[in-house]
Amino acid sequence: DPKIIQKPKYLVAVTGSEKILICEQYLGHNAMYWYRQSAKKPLEFMFSYSYQKLMDNQTASSRFQPQSSKKNHLDLQITALKPDDSATYFCASSQGGNSDYTFGSGTRLLVI
Amino acid sequence: GQQVQQSPASLVLQEGENAELQCNFSTSLNSMQWFYQRPGGSLVSLFYNPSGTKHSGRLTSTTVIKERRSSLHISSSQTTDSGTYLCALLSNTGNYKYVFGAGTRLKVIA
Repeated sequence: DPKIIQKPKYLVAVTGSEKILICEQYLGHNAMYWYRQSAKKPLEFMFSYSYQKLMDNQTASSRFQPQSSKKNHLDLQITALKPDDSATYFCASSQGGNSDYTFGSGTRLLVI
Repeated sequence: GQQVQQSPASLVLQEGENAELQCNFSTSLNSMQWFYQRPGGSLVSLFYNPSGTKHSGRLTSTTVIKERRSSLHISSSQTTDSGTYLCALLSNTGNYKYVFGAGTRLKVIA
């Protein structure tokens, strides 16, 4: 059984629309993260949360907003979608800020 | 500049050959992790290796903190080893954020 569930696996969205990417982890971890991987680019850090509080934000645009309704959830809301937002978005978790990460299988987003 | 440099960028092996993948860091190391990214995109943790040498089957990871580098050795490669190998750095300047290298793309041919 997957320990980190990301939904949906694939998502096609129209430019200007809004989408929410879901992430739930069942590892009992207290820290969660979002990363983005665009074509031919390294995995890029976006956000980190610990005990449902924002630790670090490296995303320049306020169109990207994490939402943590429960301690094992960290969803990502993206508003006013642009074609450049097309990428695979990975969620990860860890126990504390200085330990190994486990990644979800990603949500592949295509904005047309 | 880039905090994490991986080499080589790509590599083609004949099945059965060995490979040595390198990861160099421009900042002090707090911890690091090696991942395998499948052709479909999912990420699998291979090693969490802040220092020293770790073994898992045909894989060996060695991290030398003073030299700010880590290596991943693959012995007796198999076609199923094909994919991208990523290293990630957790620097001394901040927790809660691994920085990834661009990866080594490995292809093993039969």
